[in-house]
Parts: sequence; structure tokens; C-alpha cells
Amino acid sequence: KNEVEQSPQNLTAQEGEFITINCSYSVGISALHWLQQHPGGGIVSLFMLSSGKKKHGRLIATINIQEKHSSLHITASHPRDSAVYICAVNSGAQKLVFGQGTRLTINP
Amino acid sequence: KAGVTQTPRYLIKTRGQQVTLSCSPISGHRSVSWYQQTPGQGLQFLFEYFSETQRNKGNFPGRFSGRQFSNSRSEMNVSTLELGDSALYLCASSSLGGNEQFFGPGTRLTVL
Repeated sequence: KNEVEQSPQNLTAQEGEFITINCSYSVGISALHWLQQHPGGGIVSLFMLSSGKKKHGRLIATINIQEKHSSLHITASHPRDSAVYICAVNSGAQKLVFGQGTRLTINP
Repeated sequence: KAGVTQTPRYLIKTRGQQVTLSCSPISGHRSVSWYQQTPGQGLQFLFEYFSETQRNKGNFPGRFSGRQFSNSRSEMNVSTLELGDSALYLCASSSLGGNEQFFGPGTRLTVL
């Protein structure tokens, strides 16, 4: 079993829909990261959080430490949000452990 | 500030050769981490350097090595290349290990 599990693996939605991507982890962590990767490979860090909730524009990330679960929400989704979203955790000695990613496609 | 840069961006090698990849972190960042991304295994941690010292190492064979220079620039080396080493190699820098990481564009290595 992977230490970091994401669901769903693939998600297709229509423009304007509310999107939720989930991440569960099985190890103790010091922080959790949400990353975005566009075709071509470049990775952008969206959020780093260790408790509570963070918001940036249309993106919201939450984490529940007791339940070892985090969610990434996108409100009013847009085709430019189409990308792979990756959850990663800082686990023991600070190295990052990654989920397998969620491929999001937003159709106009 | 300039972002993280990686050179070269694309590389084609043959089995048995060796390769050196370079990463220049954001100015002032002292931590550099390297990652391998393949379709089958996803993103995997290779190693982390901080102030010229390797602090963490992932589960990769000894053919994978790295170093960091006094200006925080880092190189990774893969010797005796295998077909399975074909991947996107990403480096990321942060001001301190464990903090928000800033990723470079990656080097896409193809081993023939």
C-alpha cells in the first residue's frame, strides 16, 4: 500500500463545476503539499500546509491531521485548470513522498 | 528572483554511458532535492543536499549520485545507464529543507 493515496486518479468535469481531489496518508508528517503539473513537466507548488485550511484564488486546501486526510478544492473550474495534481508529504527526515497524482480535465 | 534552472533540458544517451545533470537553485536557497518521475513509478525522491552535505537519500542504487557546490548549485550523476533510467529528472530548491519547494523545469533523459 502506498504511503500517500490520491483519489480519483482521473477526473473529467465541465467548466464551472466544483472540483474535489482527495489525499490520504498513512505516515506521520510535518507538512503536506499540493502540486500542479502541466503537460511538459513543470511543477508548481500550490499549497504547503500542516493544519487547517488555506485559500488562494479559486483553490482551497484543507487538512485533517487526526484523520490523515487532505482535500484540494477548485471552485468555478476552468479549462486552464486542466493538469495533474499531486499530493506530497514531508515524512521523516523531511524527504517528500508523493501520491500518484490526479489527472484533471475540464471541458469547456 | 530567477527561478530554479536545470540543464540540459533534454538528453539522449545509450545504455552503459553516464550522464551528469545540473541544477541551479533560487538565489539564497541552500537546500536542493532531486526527484525522478516515470510513468510507472510516478515521482520518487532521489536525494537532498543542504550546505554541500547530503542529508537524505532515497531508495536508488549507488549508480545515482550527487553533489552540491559552495554556491548551492547541484549536480547529479547516473553511471552505467539502463533503459529504466529514462525519466524526467526534477530538482527543487528551498530555503530550508522541508519548507515549500520550488521546482525546476526538469531534464528529460532518454536512454536508448
